[in-house]
Amino acid sequence: EAGVAQSPRYKIIEKRQSVAFWCNPISGHATLYWYQQILGQGPKLLIQFQNNGVVDDSQLPKDRFSAERLKGVDSTLKIQPAKLEDSAVYLCASSPRRQGARFGGYTFGSGTRLTVV
Amino acid sequence: LAKTTQPISMDSYEGQEVNITCSHNNIATNDYITWYQQFPSQGPRFIIQGYKTKVTNEVASLFIPADRKSSTLSLPRVSLSDTAVYYCLLNGGPYNNNDMRFGAGTRLTVKP
Repeated sequence: EAGVAQSPRYKIIEKRQSVAFWCNPISGHATLYWYQQILGQGPKLLIQFQNNGVVDDSQLPKDRFSAERLKGVDSTLKIQPAKLEDSAVYLCASSPRRQGARFGGYTFGSGTRLTVV
Repeated sequence: LAKTTQPISMDSYEGQEVNITCSHNNIATNDYITWYQQFPSQGPRFIIQGYKTKVTNEVASLFIPADRKSSTLSLPRVSLSDTAVYYCLLNGGPYNNNDMRFGAGTRLTVKP
């Protein structure tokens, strides 16, 4: 099966500019996650969607970050305005709602590496 | 959410067995233990998941003692390509899509 697709692969912007990342999860996966991974750290959950509804956005800096998942499929994550500390890899992951005994965990995309200068 | 503790780094040599232990003293009754592997410039990749005793797949084995307060990921006969960061997480298991929170992981370096 096709994996989780993310674009762009790399992005360099100046501080105070805006940027958007796109994620296409595995077909049929109801749950979608966005993680932020700063160099040398583990991924940090930003937001979790179940279909097109937000399940958990407690760690999303809502003053500058926003995310949506229209029609319960693709998702976009936006930062506006960007700060230097937003430099990180933004990872998207998806998971089926129920997988039973053959559960294989989340499937992650390769991420978008954002550099804010 | 219950927290996990792992060594920050480990070194090994090709052909050796590597055991990475994860401590999770406050694990909840419904928590499963899940391990992920991450190579540079890639997203984490699921390795193995278990609830108790021993689980084995084509990649690794997971040993979980009866009290479930720790777990050990065992990688048999590692190669240079096993150099990666390994994360231990707790989550609600196959029937629960609650979020998974990553720690800093264990950076494994395999030397020739």
